[in-house]
Amino acid sequence: ELKVEQNPLFLSMQEGKNYTIYCNYSTTSDRLYWYRQDPGKSLESLFVLLSNGAVKQEGRLMASLDTKARLSTLHITAAVHDLSATYFCAVVANAGNNRKLIWGLGTSLAVNP
Amino acid sequence: DGGITQSPKYLFRKEGQNVTLSCEQNLNHDAMYWYRQDPGQGLRLIYYSQIVNDFQKGDIAEGYSVSREKKESFPLTVTSAQKNPTAFYLCASSNGQGGQPQHFGDGTRLSIL
Repeated sequence: ELKVEQNPLFLSMQEGKNYTIYCNYSTTSDRLYWYRQDPGKSLESLFVLLSNGAVKQEGRLMASLDTKARLSTLHITAAVHDLSATYFCAVVANAGNNRKLIWGLGTSLAVNP
Repeated sequence: DGGITQSPKYLFRKEGQNVTLSCEQNLNHDAMYWYRQDPGQGLRLIYYSQIVNDFQKGDIAEGYSVSREKKESFPLTVTSAQKNPTAFYLCASSNGQGGQPQHFGDGTRLSIL
């Protein structure tokens, strides 16, 4: 059974600092997604990582995927308050279709001035 | 603009009552999903549907029912058999093609009266 673990679950950081969120998964999958959720709101797709070594960047966020290590990272560069949110990674349970995702518990990020 | 509409935004259920949550999408997506989110938890899959008139149970289907009579609509009924229905319910859709992320509605928050 595929399991997805994120760490840390809670992260408080100062503006301007860098940090990395980790997403480990337990069985083979070559498709991973990162989402953002603001409090009480829906989920917004951030990144889709489809192959080993994939790296994607959007603003101050950069995501990467290592399928051999079963690890994805979400790196935050020079954090700003607007990045405060909960970040989820989700992994496809059955490679070849994207119909069932297994979700991590989320990392709640607070960026303080 | 294309998107997913969930209604109502807030819903209250009385003891022994069935309630139905609406989910409509105009993205022309084939696949639709229902998730439940509890505080501090990731998303758990209730039901999903790949095509019209077909759906499958997710990980926590007990106490819930769905229908998929039209491509754009995937309503979820929370039955009286669901003893702990208080949660945030999210509907999502995807085009089912490899790598495409799921798009989410704004959610329905269900509470017990």
